[in-house]
Amino acid sequence: DTGVSQDPRHKITKRGQNVTFRCDPISEHNRLYWYRQTLGQGPEFLTYFQNEAQLEKSRLLSDRFSAERPKGSFSTLEIQRTEQGDSAMYLCASSFGGGNTEAFFGQGTRLTVV
Amino acid sequence: AQSVTQPDIHITVSEGASLELRCNYSYGATPYLFWYVQSPGQGLQLLLKYFSGDTLVQGIKGFEAEFKRSQSSFNLRKPSVHWSDAAEYFCAVARDTGRRALTFGSGTRLQVQP
Repeated sequence: DTGVSQDPRHKITKRGQNVTFRCDPISEHNRLYWYRQTLGQGPEFLTYFQNEAQLEKSRLLSDRFSAERPKGSFSTLEIQRTEQGDSAMYLCASSFGGGNTEAFFGQGTRLTVV
Repeated sequence: AQSVTQPDIHITVSEGASLELRCNYSYGATPYLFWYVQSPGQGLQLLLKYFSGDTLVQGIKGFEAEFKRSQSSFNLRKPSVHWSDAAEYFCAVARDTGRRALTFGSGTRLQVQP
């Protein structure tokens, strides 16, 4: 399968714990995006990488959130000191920058903070 | 800032009936427009996209959409709905330059009656 893969698919954590999600984009894609989707809403942009550089972060991304993309391949999204409001689906997407190209989405990681 | 409005939160149609899902966008320049479909617990699958050229675009699964600049609309249509089309549909817009992150509408949930 050469699509975008995310791990884990589901995560249940206690409030105050740290969690880390991983995204493996399509191999030739240099752009990678993280989105958050809460129940009944469309996805909201969190952050964007071009290769290994994190070029933009949404104001939704508080100081408790950090994302990395070492070597411009896979990416991780870490949430520190989780809160119940962090419960959501976290979606990763990748695209090949330049020209008329669309983003391909992974199946997401559903986080539940109890 | 760009925004997307999907006025219909929930639509129910009978199998075999035609379908139109509405989408209005707000964006100062020429937008890139997309329709995605999301089945329960799944990621997003691209149905179709508009970048430029012919304003009537064809997508997968028999869907089409028409870009109307004068109305700032990009409505999704299908002539005959199948039970397997039941899902959540999201309209999205991206800038034609830069990071091209997507701004999504809040979605329309489609229910198909037998």
